[in-house]
Amino acid sequence: NAGVTQTPKFRILKIGQSMTLQCTQDMNHNYMYWYRQDPGMGLKLIYYSVGAGITDKGEVPNGYNVSRSTTEDFPLRLELAAPSQTSVYFCASRYRGQALNSPLHFGNGTRLTVT
Amino acid sequence: DQQVKQNSPSLSVQEGRISILNCDYTNSMFDYFLWYKKYPAEGPTFLISISSIKDKNEDGRFTVFLNKSAKHLSLHIVPSQPGDSAVYFCAATPGGSQGNLIFGKGTKLSVKP
Repeated sequence: NAGVTQTPKFRILKIGQSMTLQCTQDMNHNYMYWYRQDPGMGLKLIYYSVGAGITDKGEVPNGYNVSRSTTEDFPLRLELAAPSQTSVYFCASRYRGQALNSPLHFGNGTRLTVT
Repeated sequence: DQQVKQNSPSLSVQEGRISILNCDYTNSMFDYFLWYKKYPAEGPTFLISISSIKDKNEDGRFTVFLNKSAKHLSLHIVPSQPGDSAVYFCAATPGGSQGNLIFGKGTKLSVKP
């Protein structure tokens, strides 16, 4: 059972380049999330999705885009990379059914450096 | 402004003793609280949670206490083991939301043999 899989694990970008961080889950979870964690800080929500075709902004969405065409996949797109986007990015998912609160399952993260 | 605060960046404890990690929150709308544990180069993993209708939840060596009037929760680990050495994040969510979690900055626990 793979859970939440993120690729790549590491990436170095030059300023202005673009890239897509991939996230896929095999748990049939309806909710998916993207967080970023800066050094010494907590995780901040970038975007989330409550199901295929539905996405919404979190706390820090500027500079990012997402799409959710399938239940399994939730890619995060950086269009014009900036040094401020140097961070560790975590994808997470959970199943929200009758139990309103269920814990998030996280991937192992993508460490991105923009220089 | 931080809605979830973990004021101790680090904590060092001897193996076998109790570890107490603290968390304060400011938003009175939060009604569900979780603790996550994170090892280096891995994603956070869920540890234990508590609803605001309770003041204590226990799972093996881990107990979370909630003091709503003080807007304070704590995680107790008894007895502490070297494998517990990790960063612990406190998180909270307001009721009726999409369950979006607000995280604290984390506390790095070191359990010394």
